[in-house]
Amino acid sequence: DTEVTQTPKHLVMGMTNKKSLKCEQHMGHRAMYWYKQKAKKPPELMFVYSYEKLSINESVPSRFSPECPNSSLLNLHLHALQPEDSALYLCASSQDLQLRGGEQYFGPGTRLTVT
Amino acid sequence: AQKVTQAQTEISVVEKEDVTLDCVYETRDTTYYLFWYKQPPSGELVFLIRRNSFDEQNEISGRYSWNFQKSTSSFNFTITASQVVDSAVYFCALSGAGGTSYGKLTFGQGTILTVHP
Repeated sequence: DTEVTQTPKHLVMGMTNKKSLKCEQHMGHRAMYWYKQKAKKPPELMFVYSYEKLSINESVPSRFSPECPNSSLLNLHLHALQPEDSALYLCASSQDLQLRGGEQYFGPGTRLTVT
Repeated sequence: AQKVTQAQTEISVVEKEDVTLDCVYETRDTTYYLFWYKQPPSGELVFLIRRNSFDEQNEISGRYSWNFQKSTSSFNFTITASQVVDSAVYFCALSGAGGTSYGKLTFGQGTILTVHP
């Protein structure tokens, strides 16, 4: 079972709202990732967690706050977003950062619109 | 620095045609991994294949085949007898195996494949 789930599928939020995106995997993977993808572009890495510790932060603005409560769950807390943050947010997981080149499996994404 | 180039922005074919998607990469790592992902209109990236830098064997999986050539730094993907369901954006990606490369996929810009009935 190579399934990564993400909720919600769609989210519309105002610039003053606080919301969270959720990601879950039950493959026993120990690395989890957040990506942002704009239309007609490749995914851009935002954060990487390895064994529940933040391993990589690609200089993401502080209005995005990741959290890894346990090895199966990954959250992305959103606050005071801008319209340019509207995008598809993808979660991914891999067995760990190194094994098999960090072969990643992606969830279906959350399509976020900031109004 | 790592770089992946997919020179074909868009390809349009008619069903049952064969199509090859090109991927050229640059890396200074001696050990690295190459991947292909498919992104249908639904949005999810679907893992298709991983190749290690030390394994140049070509691979075939049903209608899909991959040609890895280190000498030309290329990892091309061929779909034989294309079908409408193959319509998607295809991404080639690269990850290194050292230091800060771990956990980072470098994606190409993607090739939009449209298969017409």
